[in-house]
Amino acid sequence: SQELEQSPQSLIVQEGKNLTINCTSSKTLYGLYWYKQKYGEGLIFLMMLQKGGEEKSHEKITAKLDEKKQQSSLHITASQPSHAGIYLCGAARSRQGGSEKLVFGKGTKLTVNP
Amino acid sequence: KAGVTQTPRYLIKTRGQQVTLSCSPISGHRSVSWYQQTPGQGLQFLFEYFSETQRNKGNFPGRFSGRQFSNSRSEMNVSTLELGDSALYLCASSLSVAKNIQYFGAGTRLSVL
Repeated sequence: SQELEQSPQSLIVQEGKNLTINCTSSKTLYGLYWYKQKYGEGLIFLMMLQKGGEEKSHEKITAKLDEKKQQSSLHITASQPSHAGIYLCGAARSRQGGSEKLVFGKGTKLTVNP
Repeated sequence: KAGVTQTPRYLIKTRGQQVTLSCSPISGHRSVSWYQQTPGQGLQFLFEYFSETQRNKGNFPGRFSGRQFSNSRSEMNVSTLELGDSALYLCASSLSVAKNIQYFGAGTRLSVL
């Protein structure tokens, strides 16, 4: 099973509506990253959350980290067509020597209809 | 500051061939990671290099290999290509190996016929 489960898998909203995407980890979360990807392109970094209870905002996007629930949520307020894309959450998994690798959820595809 | 640059953007190969993909990290970044993205498996970690040494490796067969040069540029090589290797290959760079944001390139789309 996937270490990071994202829900929903896809979302279609009307422009101006609010929406929330969730990311749940099966392992302890030490930090979580949110990225956005346009189809077939690279990932654009959105936010990094490192502490339980941490909340960060950038323009109309807010992300929160709940360490106890091993969960993070991404909330978009007053969605716009420019918000459309695939949102991926990633979590760091540490290895010996401090090296990290990121594991990712399968993504949430967001469509915003004008 | 220029972002992560991957070349080529698109590649078409046939089964059995080998391929080399290139990644130039953001200036000053010393860690480079490679990922494979497919519709079925999503984004999967291949390996990470720091200071020309492989520091971390994912669960991929030995046909997948990589290296990093003294200027931090990295290459990955896939030998004896299989149809299932068709994917978007993404490279990411970061300042160091831990607790650092990874910045991704636009990727190389590999199609194996």
